[in-house]
Amino acid sequence: GAVVSQHPSWVICKSGTSVKIECRSLDFQATTMFWYRQFPKQSLMLMATSNEGSKATYEQGVEKDKFLINHASLTLSTLTVTSAHPEDSSFYICSVASGVTDTQYFGPGTRLTVL
Amino acid sequence: AQSVAQPEDQVNVAEGNPLTVKCTYSVSGNPYLFWYVQYPNRGLQFLLKYITGDNLVKGSYGFEAEFNKSQTSFHLKKPSALVSDSALYFCAVRANSGGYQKVTFGIGTKLQVIP
Repeated sequence: GAVVSQHPSWVICKSGTSVKIECRSLDFQATTMFWYRQFPKQSLMLMATSNEGSKATYEQGVEKDKFLINHASLTLSTLTVTSAHPEDSSFYICSVASGVTDTQYFGPGTRLTVL
Repeated sequence: AQSVAQPEDQVNVAEGNPLTVKCTYSVSGNPYLFWYVQYPNRGLQFLLKYITGDNLVKGSYGFEAEFNKSQTSFHLKKPSALVSDSALYFCAVRANSGGYQKVTFGIGTKLQVIP
């Protein structure tokens, strides 16, 4: 399967600042990447689908101006949480889809804590 | 709308005993079904998938899952549990049709293997 990395693995920031999270596909050219958010003891919530060279597709209820997604190349997608607030604290996970069945391969996740 | 149900929040099993983690699904048409495992503060790891063909699917780390179309189930099984199998397990489904189809994840089942 595809190997996916995320950076940073954890970040602590002050309320009102912006945080950028990188997702890299290390061995696979991913035209599509996905960004999920996971709350404690809950399932993954799809935030948006990131498409290389075009605008991301956001799920209903996800603020596109707050969660900026850039998929600048076939191996890199970034999620920027703008003007972060404590309620944005969460575990953010990216994935790439590979193959006909679109099996998803996940990054290790980024723990964001907003003080 | 497609959905996944994992009826058990937690499954406890003694080391060496067989384990089963339950999953039922609802989707239009034929499904692609997936199982993922998540260790604390990590992303999800792909275990196995059902596409078509043999109803019994074998995956990583000795896990297998049985697709039952009449019961719309895809239970995860392992003949002999290890303490290291203790983790959070997610079942996922997507429609088996052309083009990209959104994947829906279950809420997860915590597996606790007792030494």
